[in-house]
Amino acid sequence: QKEVEQDPGPLSVPEGAIVSLNCTYSNSAFQYFMWYRQYSRKGPELLMYTYSSGNKEDGRFTAQVDKSSKYISLFIRDSQPSDSATYLCASQKGVTGGGNKLTFGTGTQLKVEL
Amino acid sequence: DADVTQTPRNRITKTGKRIMLECSQTKGHDRMYWYRQDPGLGLRLIYYSFDVKDINKGEISDGYSVSRQAQAKFSLSLESAIPNQTALYFCATSGVAGETQYFGPGTRLLVL
Repeated sequence: QKEVEQDPGPLSVPEGAIVSLNCTYSNSAFQYFMWYRQYSRKGPELLMYTYSSGNKEDGRFTAQVDKSSKYISLFIRDSQPSDSATYLCASQKGVTGGGNKLTFGTGTQLKVEL
Repeated sequence: DADVTQTPRNRITKTGKRIMLECSQTKGHDRMYWYRQDPGLGLRLIYYSFDVKDINKGEISDGYSVSRQAQAKFSLSLESAIPNQTALYFCATSGVAGETQYFGPGTRLLVL
């Protein structure tokens, strides 16, 4: 079993829809949670970063972590065609020593249609 | 200019050949990483380096070696390439705090 599980999709939504992307994880030691966005033929870029449980909002994007259920979510409001990309969730145990190795989900491919 | 660069961007090679992928960064970060990305498997860590004298194996290091020539340069070598090393390879860097990793554009490698 992978430590971070993610539905690969693809997920297709109409422009303006609210998108919900989700991951589950199994390692209780994970403390930091990230969402990366990867456009085709590009490297992943950090989109959202949260520590422990709670919500974090940045414009149209909201990241949510529930450590009790080991569930990670990313919500995109008013989705745009430019949001079409693969979204990768990632977790790590800490930021020092060997703890800052990232464990990635496999990524969910999102397509926002006009 | 990009903060993390990788060369080459695309490479086709034959089974048994030695190949080196190079990564350079201008972010001034101490920590550098090499990942491979495969469909359905996501990003997997090959090697990581916390400074010039510190090299560590990641999840899938067999068949690979690395060299940290300077703070800004981290190379990945395939000593004898095999077809199942066909993948997209990414270099990444992070600061000492380590919570954010910055990725290069990737190298697409095909081993025939």
